Amino acid sequence: QKEVEQNSGPLSVPEGAIASLNCTYSDRGSQSFFWYRQYSGKSPELIMFIYSNGDKEDGRFTAQLNKASQYVSLLIRDSQPSDSATYLCAESTQEYGNKLVFGAGTILRVKS
Amino acid sequence: DAGITQSPRYKITETGRQVTLMCHQTWSHSYMFWYRQDLGHGLRLIYYSAAADITDKGEVPDGYVVSRSKTENFPLTLESATRSQTSVYFCASNPGGSEAFFGQGTRLTVV
Repeated sequence: QKEVEQNSGPLSVPEGAIASLNCTYSDRGSQSFFWYRQYSGKSPELIMFIYSNGDKEDGRFTAQLNKASQYVSLLIRDSQPSDSATYLCAESTQEYGNKLVFGAGTILRVKS
Repeated sequence: DAGITQSPRYKITETGRQVTLMCHQTWSHSYMFWYRQDLGHGLRLIYYSAAADITDKGEVPDGYVVSRSKTENFPLTLESATRSQTSVYFCASNPGGSEAFFGQGTRLTVV
């Protein structure tokens, strides 16, 4: 049984700070990793995906992957109150159109 | 409208009744998925489909049935609803690439 583990939070950070969200996974065969953001009552929306070890940056967001440690993280720089949401980590073995296994999500609260 | 739509958005049903949740996408994506989301569990995969007439079980398929006679539609049926199936249901589609696109969700309450 594949598992993706996340700290449920809430993680509280002040506005302008760096928010660090972490995720571990159990399946060494996992190839792709995704971070989704979900606002309360809304559907998940993709923020970033990462395939290779190392860092991947997109604007204020940086995804980090360490396959040896089976660890994925998402850094949000200059956090804004609008970043307050639940962040879902997901993994895929790239079969079946990226069938995703999700973690339970981390609640992030950015305080102004 | 282009995209992926779910209906109904909200549904209350009684224990033992059959209920069908609809999912329609206009992109002709090959892959479609049904997830349920419950507090503390994140999204769990119920069923998925790689193409019309090709479906397979996910992590939590018991009590659910799917069909996919056309590429654009992927209905999910609860054959005999139970209170444990009270949840938010999300349909998603994927053309085979990196991003899955989610519908707005259906909030189902079984009383």
